[in-house]
Amino acid sequence: GENVEQHPSTLSVQEGDSAVIKCTYSDSASNYFPWYKQELGKGPQLIIDIRSNVGEKKDQRIAVTLNKTAKHFSLHITETQPEDSAVYFCAASFSGNTPLVFGKGTRLSVIA
Amino acid sequence: GAVVSQHPSRVICKSGTSVKIECRSLDFQATTMFWYRQFPKKSLMLMATSNEGSKATYEQGVEKDKFLINHASLTLSTLTVTSAHPEDSSFYICSVPGQGNTIYFGEGSWLTVV
Repeated sequence: GENVEQHPSTLSVQEGDSAVIKCTYSDSASNYFPWYKQELGKGPQLIIDIRSNVGEKKDQRIAVTLNKTAKHFSLHITETQPEDSAVYFCAASFSGNTPLVFGKGTRLSVIA
Repeated sequence: GAVVSQHPSRVICKSGTSVKIECRSLDFQATTMFWYRQFPKKSLMLMATSNEGSKATYEQGVEKDKFLINHASLTLSTLTVTSAHPEDSSFYICSVPGQGNTIYFGEGSWLTVV
């Protein structure tokens, strides 16, 4: 089955700097790659996703890149703010009707 | 607004009792919903896939008689933790495929068994 590896497990950046989180997946059949932000005590919130027919997607300060050949995808957050501090999870699945397989999460701390 | 509603958000129950958690899809009809469990500072682990009108599909190691799943309609799935024990204390989260197969999560339910 699918296996998703996520790095780093923790990341501290200064406010205004960029943050990058990387994930790799094992199943070449996976074609849906969402990123979730989870704040303490809450459910995961979808922040951006990418499908395998697209190499890059951007939404304001957040961008995701996908390299299907290498089977890895990355989350980029620019101009980080303290409210970006949270745990971020990458995930992969074959389609929306199959369950997501999650990475282990990255705890991002943005230091003011 | 919320796409998925989960209830209750927090519940405390005594050992040996059963607890039901509801997951409602507010914007989409869902033939499939997914139930996850999350321990503190850990990732989400898939427990089962809930299928409308048929039996749920459980992941390896998840006891189907302990974690009863019912998907009675296209907008409601329930997870019942039967004969709860303290080790069942966890954060339970459901998810629903939405438009374009984007997957949305509920706010989760904290279960504490005392």
